[in-house]
Amino acid sequence: GNSVTQMEGPVTLSEEAFLTINCTYTATGYPSLFWYVQYPGEGLQLLLKATKADDKGSNKGFEATYRKETTSFHLEKGSVQVSDSAVYFCALSAMNTGFQKLVFGTGTRLLVSP
Amino acid sequence: KAGVTQTPRYLIKTRGQQVTLSCSPISGHRSVSWYQQTPGQGLQFLFEYFSETQRNKGNFPGRFSGRQFSNSRSEMNVSTLELGDSALYLCASSLRPTGADEQFFGPGTRLTVL
Repeated sequence: GNSVTQMEGPVTLSEEAFLTINCTYTATGYPSLFWYVQYPGEGLQLLLKATKADDKGSNKGFEATYRKETTSFHLEKGSVQVSDSAVYFCALSAMNTGFQKLVFGTGTRLLVSP
Repeated sequence: KAGVTQTPRYLIKTRGQQVTLSCSPISGHRSVSWYQQTPGQGLQFLFEYFSETQRNKGNFPGRFSGRQFSNSRSEMNVSTLELGDSALYLCASSLRPTGADEQFFGPGTRLTVL
């Protein structure tokens, strides 16, 4: 079945450091890929998405490129801020399981210190 | 535009009771999905509704049920509560059930079963 694997956390960084959170997926066909962020006490917010191979999603300085050859969708940011501290979820949706069914990774907690 | 609203935000119940959670999607959105978030299992898909019809269901026992009304508002019900049902229940809405449409999440209802 479809699945998402992302790196274990927490990831601890100092402000202005470079961030990479790895995400790989297993899916039939051509899934859409997403990164969601969850701040304490809140629901999920869509951070970025990519719907086909080689697409790059970007938002608020975060980027991720849909790599079909490596089945990956790694999240990167050049310079993190304290306000980026949150839990980040990689997710996919696929036509064969119904597009609205998002399959999530386990989440990676990011802690940024001043 | 108002976001997805979920009521109540917090709920405490005892084993064996039943509970109903409510979700009001963004105005104009007709697709509503529900997810359960727990520390152990992460984010898991419960079900999806579009135009008052359940289109997809996750791997949960029959104690979990839901429905959607003609105004797109949705409710989910859990009967005969178990301790393991303690979780954050998230609702998400989108315009249509396609992979191209972003799903917007509500803040969730935190259910505690004692």
